[in-house]
Amino acid sequence: DQQVKQNSPSLSVQEGRISILNCDYTNSMFDYFLWYKKYPAEGPTFLISISSIKDKNEDGRFTVFLNKSAKHLSLHIVPSQPGDSAVYFCAAIPSGNTGKLIFGQGTTLQVKP
Amino acid sequence: DAGVIQSPRHEVTEMGQEVTLRCKPISGHNSLFWYRQTMMRGLELLIYFNNNVPIDDSGMPEDRFSAKMPNASFSTLKIQPSEPRDSAVYFCASRPGGASGTQYFGPGTRLLVL
Repeated sequence: DQQVKQNSPSLSVQEGRISILNCDYTNSMFDYFLWYKKYPAEGPTFLISISSIKDKNEDGRFTVFLNKSAKHLSLHIVPSQPGDSAVYFCAAIPSGNTGKLIFGQGTTLQVKP
Repeated sequence: DAGVIQSPRHEVTEMGQEVTLRCKPISGHNSLFWYRQTMMRGLELLIYFNNNVPIDDSGMPEDRFSAKMPNASFSTLKIQPSEPRDSAVYFCASRPGGASGTQYFGPGTRLLVL
């Protein structure tokens, strides 16, 4: 069973516009949600996170929104830049202080100049 | 800070051979994770260690897979015997203390079993 789902395998946006990446989860027992970015031939790198007790976290051009009632998470990138083109993974940390990450399948973002 | 170091970066082997992947976590990090990425299953956790002790190995696919962490600065993931379906990218990640702490990933080992 896929507890963390990214239903859009790819997204293409124009430079300067907003990119919105979505993630849904099926388990309410998650403490933290994270977004990782991955370039080809590299490991994922941490981008931004949000605690389950919050509904928004912002860091520069990146904002993560959490809608607990809908079990939905989104990452907004404004403005999008060509260097943002990568695979974005949503991940969740289950309750229980284990710290293990459960990843979504990833969404490939392409930002066109 | 050199980051998480993995070796080899690429491995091509024949079915039935033993494969050993290596990982050096970031100094001072007390948790280490092994992940596998495939097209079909995405990024999945295989096993993780806290303070060199295996905590959860429920993601290890079968007995052909084993992982060790003999000290705080080194871990291995071994596949014996290897099979073509083991072909994937294997990532190692480490994390400082705290369950909410960020995991830092290595560059991965791309394994191809012929």
